[in-house]
Order: sequence, then structure tokens, then C-alpha cells
Amino acid sequence: AQSVTQLDSQVPVFEEAPVELRCNYSSSVSVYLFWYVQYPNQGLQLLLKYLSGSTLVESINGFEAEFNKSQTSFHLRKPSVHISDTAEYFCAVTHTGGFKTIFGAGTRLFVKA
Amino acid sequence: DTGVSQDPRHKITKRGQNVTFRCDPISEHNRLYWYRQTLGQGPEFLTYFQNEAQLEKSRLLSDRFSAERPKGSFSTLEIQRTEQGDSAMYLCASGPSGYNEQFFGPGTRLTVL
Repeated sequence: AQSVTQLDSQVPVFEEAPVELRCNYSSSVSVYLFWYVQYPNQGLQLLLKYLSGSTLVESINGFEAEFNKSQTSFHLRKPSVHISDTAEYFCAVTHTGGFKTIFGAGTRLFVKA
Repeated sequence: DTGVSQDPRHKITKRGQNVTFRCDPISEHNRLYWYRQTLGQGPEFLTYFQNEAQLEKSRLLSDRFSAERPKGSFSTLEIQRTEQGDSAMYLCASGPSGYNEQFFGPGTRLTVL
């Protein structure tokens, strides 16, 4: 069975500081990995995904995540956050032969001025 | 707006009543998912449709929960004999064939009194 663990429920950080949101997964088969973001009063939207190829994937707004198979991790990073990055971030996994997507419990990123 | 829509956005019902929610996916998407999300948790997978075929479902859908997608377009999720523990946000998502990302609707918030 698959599972996703997001190690931090809340991450407060000052504007322009770097941030890392941690995600570890458990699966006995190959997986696809995703980060979704939910801004206040909005629906979930895809931030970035790893399907295959380069283990480092990037989003259009400066986030990146690296797939580490040996550590079964897919941590999300940004070198300098903005106030507008305040949101809840969900890590998710789907095994490559299936349809069921498992989400982590989410990490609330709070960017302070 | 051509995104995923859900109706109603809010539903308050009394324990024991039946409720039905509707999801209209993005028109060209043949994949459709239902999730349930409670406070402080990530979305919990309920079921998956590819066109009109229900290909995967969680154990939750074997009891009071049922979902349909009769013509491969919109979908309904019905909860019979609602319980207070059913209070949650019910999310629908859709995706195009051959891709794994999902586009989420705004959700239906159910409150069972």
C-alpha cells in the first residue's frame, strides 16, 4: 500500500527566506509524484510533477522538487519566498500502473513580512 | 469558465437524509475522480472513472456511498443515510487521457446536523 508523509504541518518563514517542505512516500512499485497547492479560498491546483526523466522538476513560480528514489522523498524548495506563496501544499503519489492518488496531510506555509 | 464545476457548493442536511452531489468535469477530460477532505487532512480518494467506467473505488464506496458517471460526462456522488462523520468537503477532479495531473473543482461542503 502507498502512503505519503508530510513531516511538517506548518512552516512559518519570513519573506525572501528559503523554504523546504518535506515529503516522504512509501510504495512497493514505481510512482508518479506531485505537489499541489491550495491558496486561501481557492481550489487545489497542480504546482509540479515528476513522471520520469530528470529528477529535478521546476514550477513556473520558482518552486522546485527533487525526486530521491533511495530516500523515497520528494521535497519542495524555493530559494526566496513571497507573501503570495502563503498557502497549503499537498504532496501526492500515484503508482504508475494505477489511478488511485494518495495525498499527504498538507503543509501550511505562512510567509511573514 | 471552463474549469471543473461542482453543485451545490454547500449542503446542510440532517442525519439520516440522503444527499447527491454533481460534478461537471472539463469537457475533453475522460478521467474523473472523487475525493473527501476533512479539516487538517489531505484529500482522501473515493473513486475513479475513465469515461463511464468506474475503474477503482475505495472501501467507502461499498456501503452508503455510490458514484455514477452515466454518459462519461458529468458525475454524481450520493451518500445515503448521512451521518455526522460524513461532514467534509467533497472534491471532484478531472484529467485528460494520457496525463496524470488532475484539475480540481471548488468542492461541495457537506454539514450533517
